[in-house]
Amino acid sequence: DVKVTQSSRYLVKRTGEKVFLECVQDMDHENMFWYRQDPGLGLRLIYFSYDVKMKEKGDIPEGYSVSREKKERFSLILESASTNQTSMYLCASSRGPPEAFFGQGTRLTVV
Amino acid sequence: DAKTTQPNSMESNEEEPVHLPCNHSTISGTDYIHWYRQLPSQGPEYVIHGLTSNVNNRMASLAIAEDRKSSTLILHRATLRDAAVYYCILSNTGNQFYFGTGTSLTVIP
Repeated sequence: DVKVTQSSRYLVKRTGEKVFLECVQDMDHENMFWYRQDPGLGLRLIYFSYDVKMKEKGDIPEGYSVSREKKERFSLILESASTNQTSMYLCASSRGPPEAFFGQGTRLTVV
Repeated sequence: DAKTTQPNSMESNEEEPVHLPCNHSTISGTDYIHWYRQLPSQGPEYVIHGLTSNVNNRMASLAIAEDRKSSTLILHRATLRDAAVYYCILSNTGNQFYFGTGTSLTVIP
């Protein structure tokens, strides 16, 4: 069974903390994505990566960075967490269209 | 990037067909049309995709307008397990997936 695993389902962090969200896929996919999902706004693309050490900005990269040192792992980093980054974060991977596989999501609360 | 427009919500009776519309008037010639759905407390999952021709799979059918400016996802017999948010997405050649707000489908027993 194909799998995209996000390290935590729920996280609570304090304002100003550095936060790491980890995502691992076992399908040898080249492409990996980070989205955030907020009520009324749908899923918005933060960053994506099409190869190791490669990254591209999505629609809302401000306040985030990413790291892809190995093909199977894509990390989202909040350098200094703020309350407006409270959200559901979804990681996905794909070999290309048509199909992307999503993780279960990490619900991050910044207090 | 081309975007899509979907109704915010729809209802269907159980065991009846459901037609979920999507408008994508700015679609480019290389954009594939994808549908995903998101069940409660889960990440989105792939449903179906197409380029120009209508498509069928075990989950659904996809009807694409001749001018490709709209498409319809067809669930032939809605079940309670089909209650979800359905996203119509266009993918560009960069292998990116841009989601909108989707259609929340309620299935009435």
